[in-house]
Amino acid sequence: DQQVKQNSPSLSVQEGRISILNCDYTNSMFDYFLWYKKYPAEGPTFLISISSIKDKNEDGRFTVFLNKSAKHLSLHIVPSQPGDSAVYFCAASAGSNDYKLSFGAGTTVTVRA
Amino acid sequence: NAGVTQTPKFRILKIGQSMTLQCAQDMNHNYMYWYRQDPGMGLKLIYYSVGAGITDKGEVPNGYNVSRSTTEDFPLRLELAAPSQTSVYFCASKPPVGTDTQYFGPGTRLTVL
Repeated sequence: DQQVKQNSPSLSVQEGRISILNCDYTNSMFDYFLWYKKYPAEGPTFLISISSIKDKNEDGRFTVFLNKSAKHLSLHIVPSQPGDSAVYFCAASAGSNDYKLSFGAGTTVTVRA
Repeated sequence: NAGVTQTPKFRILKIGQSMTLQCAQDMNHNYMYWYRQDPGMGLKLIYYSVGAGITDKGEVPNGYNVSRSTTEDFPLRLELAAPSQTSVYFCASKPPVGTDTQYFGPGTRLTVL
């Protein structure tokens, strides 16, 4: 049962434009959400996170938005750069007593020059 | 700090062979995890550990075993390799408090023929 879903397997965007990655979840107990970035032949690296008490978190070019009522979050990358070409995974956890993460299938982002 | 290290990087096994994937972390993290990633899929949790001597099953534990005799090491054992275990395996660790963020190793690519 896939509790975290990334329905777009791939996204192609021109350099300098905005990339928007989407993620939906089904478990209402999830209260902490993370985005990981993964380059080929490397492990995932943490990018940005958001707690359910917030609806937005920003870190430089990366902003995550959370809509709890819709059980939806999105990652915005502005402006997109060639080095942003990677696979992005959405992940969720159900609080400080649940130390496990549930991952989506990932979205492959390609930034065109 | 080396972070999370995994060995080997690549391995080819024949059906029925056994092997141990090694994982070590030098961040004094209590929590450690093993995931597998199949093409087009997210990361699936195989086993996890909340501290030395304590391990528990994740979503896909069949065909695998783990042990945690020290805080630093968390090896994953495949006893009778099967083609279905062809995958990329990631080890991760997390401190006990203050964050849900897991830190990943570079991965081991395993092929079973």
